[in-house]
Amino acid sequence: EAQVTQNPRYLITVTGKKLTVTCSQNMNHEYMSWYRQDPGLGLRQIYYSMNVEVTDKGDVPEGYKVSRKEKRNFPLILESPSPNQTSLYFCASRPGQGAYEQYFGPGTRLTVT
Amino acid sequence: EDKVVQSPLSLVVHEGDTVTLNCSYEVTNFRSLLWYKQEKKAPTFLFMLTSSGIEKKSGRLSSILDKKELFSILNITATQTGDSAVYLCAVSAVASGTYKYIFGTGTRLKVLA
Repeated sequence: EAQVTQNPRYLITVTGKKLTVTCSQNMNHEYMSWYRQDPGLGLRQIYYSMNVEVTDKGDVPEGYKVSRKEKRNFPLILESPSPNQTSLYFCASRPGQGAYEQYFGPGTRLTVT
Repeated sequence: EDKVVQSPLSLVVHEGDTVTLNCSYEVTNFRSLLWYKQEKKAPTFLFMLTSSGIEKKSGRLSSILDKKELFSILNITATQTGDSAVYLCAVSAVASGTYKYIFGTGTRLKVLA
């Protein structure tokens, strides 16, 4: 089944404790993105990647890192999480140039205390 | 600044009613407009529109884009309780040589039996 998977789905952590949220897609898509969704603000792009080893900042990259060492995986790293990073996070992928439809993962609900 | 505005913010209707959801945008280097349905999980793709005046249709849902007036509508006829969800509008645009997506905050639709 074609899908985008994320792990963990739920995470409660404390300020400053490094964490990684994994994202994997099995559709051989070139483009992958991370979004956060907050009430009243909609989905906002954190980082995106156009292909292996090619990443760039979205609209709200502060406090986050990403890497794209393999085409299928695009982990989101929070080196020192803070309470303002409490949010619902989505990973998304799309085939590539000219294909605008994105496929979303199931989401990761992160709480930082 | 690029922005996507959806209206109404929320809507309550009865089964069988027809609803129209609105999405207006101000975006530089527009490429496409996408509609998503979000229940208590990841957004799922409904439509992608790139050309003005061409209606996209899927069952009871339809959508059309007006690139001159910079808006799109999503129509749902004969609504059912299963249509209850948040409907998201997103616009893809080219910025700094790559694509970005700007999401609206969504319209929350509740369909009563």
